[in-house]
Amino acid sequence: NAGVTQTPKFQVLKTGQSMTLQCAQDMNHEYMSWYRQDPGMGLRLIHYSVGAGITDQGEVPNGYNVSRSTTEDFPLRLLSAAPSQTSVYFCASRLRPSDTQYFGPGTRLTVL
Amino acid sequence: AQSVTQPDIHITVSEGASLELRCNYSYGATPYLFWYVQSPGQGLQLLLKYFSGDTLVQGIKGFEAEFKRSQSSFNLRKPSVHWSDAAEYFCAVNTGFQKLVFGTGTRLLVSP
Repeated sequence: NAGVTQTPKFQVLKTGQSMTLQCAQDMNHEYMSWYRQDPGMGLRLIHYSVGAGITDQGEVPNGYNVSRSTTEDFPLRLLSAAPSQTSVYFCASRLRPSDTQYFGPGTRLTVL
Repeated sequence: AQSVTQPDIHITVSEGASLELRCNYSYGATPYLFWYVQSPGQGLQLLLKYFSGDTLVQGIKGFEAEFKRSQSSFNLRKPSVHWSDAAEYFCAVNTGFQKLVFGTGTRLLVSP
């Protein structure tokens, strides 16, 4: 089991560029989430999914899109990057809501 | 709205001393409670969780936490801290279904 994998590990973008952060899990987990981590603010939920074809917004969804076409993959798209989106992004997955949530290693994104 | 408060941004303890990290939550029903640890540049690892039953829960690496409903608290403890425990610790609350709400974290420094 690779667990939760994220690519890339680091990324630098210019304002206005778009990109997709990749997340995959091989544990057959239904529930997947994207968080961003900023100093002094903990982790904040961006979007989540409770199964293939089902997504919903979290606490800070603006500027981000997600889709869930398969159980394994949950990509996060930045439509037009802004400096305020400079952050570390974590993907997570779990089998059921009450189960342990497993986190990926993170993607450190800088928007200039 | 549901929230998690970790009142201590930084804590410094001497190696071998005991540790207590504070966590208070705001939620109407009995929540699912978690403590995660994050080493520098790494993802989050689950230390322990509380769902129901015994209010004192044991976790990995010698950590334990006690759920106190009357105080809305879920403090993390360790009787003897090791230098390798230096990291950032996050308390989190599952407020139902999918949303996991994190505190802002407490950074633990261990002095020789």
